[in-house]
Amino acid sequence: EAGVTQSPTHLIKTRGQQATLRCSPISGHTSVYWYQQALGLGLQFLLWYDEGEERNRGNFPPRFSGRQFPNYSSELNVNALELEDSALYLCASRWATLNYGYTFGSGTRLTVV
Amino acid sequence: GDSVTQMEGPVTLSEEAFLTINCTYTATGYPSLFWYVQYPGEGLQLLLKATKADDKGSNKGFEATYRKETTSFHLEKGSVQVSDSAVYFCALGTVNTGNQFYFGTGTSLTVIP
Repeated sequence: EAGVTQSPTHLIKTRGQQATLRCSPISGHTSVYWYQQALGLGLQFLLWYDEGEERNRGNFPPRFSGRQFPNYSSELNVNALELEDSALYLCASRWATLNYGYTFGSGTRLTVV
Repeated sequence: GDSVTQMEGPVTLSEEAFLTINCTYTATGYPSLFWYVQYPGEGLQLLLKATKADDKGSNKGFEATYRKETTSFHLEKGSVQVSDSAVYFCALGTVNTGNQFYFGTGTSLTVIP
């Protein structure tokens, strides 16, 4: 079974640009979660998508947005990049029952210069 | 609201030492509890889980028991190895939160030979 795949692995952008990060969940998983992990810090919840709809959003400005496609893959967009957006962005998916937990991708390392 | 409080790190142990990482939770419903591990440069991997009170999750020599009376889910290992060096995250999920997980802040473990 293929795991959660994220692309690109690394991304370097200039302040003010836009970044697009992609996530493909495990086949059969309909929920996708995005987390930000800044260096030395814990996981900060960004967004949750389920069945194509945004279900919940963390405490992030509107320039963080995303969407989920009909095949359940997801895209995270970060507009007007700031230096403090530099972080590891993790995507996770899960089965319908939460008892199996989340499965995480390896992440996209975004560096804003 | 639901939350997880995790022991502050970093933790440094000698090889073969006993490990305990404390985790306590607050939840309005009946959560499932999880421990995740993050090795350097990687995403999070599910280490073990417990879905109801008194359940014991175990994997790779790690154990944690779901204690409803003390609202705890402490992670233990009898003899750590250098390869256990990683960041450990405690998490809870409950249907009351729409199956969204809440993560602790993470505890960094370094095992020295």
